[in-house]
Amino acid sequence: AQRVTQPEKLLSVFKGAPVELKCNYSYSGSPELFWYVQYSRQRLQLLLRHISRESIKGFTADLNKGETSFHLKKPFAQEEDSAMYYCALGGSQGNLIFGKGTKLSVKP
Amino acid sequence: DGGITQSPKYLFRKEGQNVTLSCEQNLNHDAMYWYRQDPGQGLRLIYYSQIVNDFQKGDIAEGYSVSREKKESFPLTVTSAQKNPTAFYLCASRGQVGNGEKLFFGSGTQLSVL
Repeated sequence: AQRVTQPEKLLSVFKGAPVELKCNYSYSGSPELFWYVQYSRQRLQLLLRHISRESIKGFTADLNKGETSFHLKKPFAQEEDSAMYYCALGGSQGNLIFGKGTKLSVKP
Repeated sequence: DGGITQSPKYLFRKEGQNVTLSCEQNLNHDAMYWYRQDPGQGLRLIYYSQIVNDFQKGDIAEGYSVSREKKESFPLTVTSAQKNPTAFYLCASRGQVGNGEKLFFGSGTQLSVL
């Protein structure tokens, strides 16, 4: 079965602290993995995807097939990073499912 | 993320009534998706379509129906069989399935029951 798990509903850190938002997935084939972000009163938008191995706004995510994880990391959190973060998994059947999301709160 | 339009922004449904949410895109995307967003539940997939005249059920399709008669349009009907329709509905599209293609999202429709 295809499943995405984000174990933390809320993650609160201080500005300048490292951040790690966890994402684990369940999928038997070759997964597509994404992180989407939703800032207050804005549309959901792509943050990054595993195939491009890019770094956006200082965030990175590495696909670990052995641990079936795609955790999102940033070494130094900024207040403007406060948002809802969703991990998403795409399968070969064309569906794209999302985790329940983690709300990141960065305190000054 | 312009190019995908949802309407109306707010919609109210009476008991026993079917309502239809509109989703239009001018991005020439093949794949379109409908999600339901509830607090604490994240986004749950209702239906998706990879190509015109074809669509598949997602995880929570019961009480909903869709059509894909045109490439640019993917309307969602919330039927009277959906007993808890109050939610925020998001439509999304992407160029093709696979290859890490990203989703483009609409601005959403908030559906409430009168």
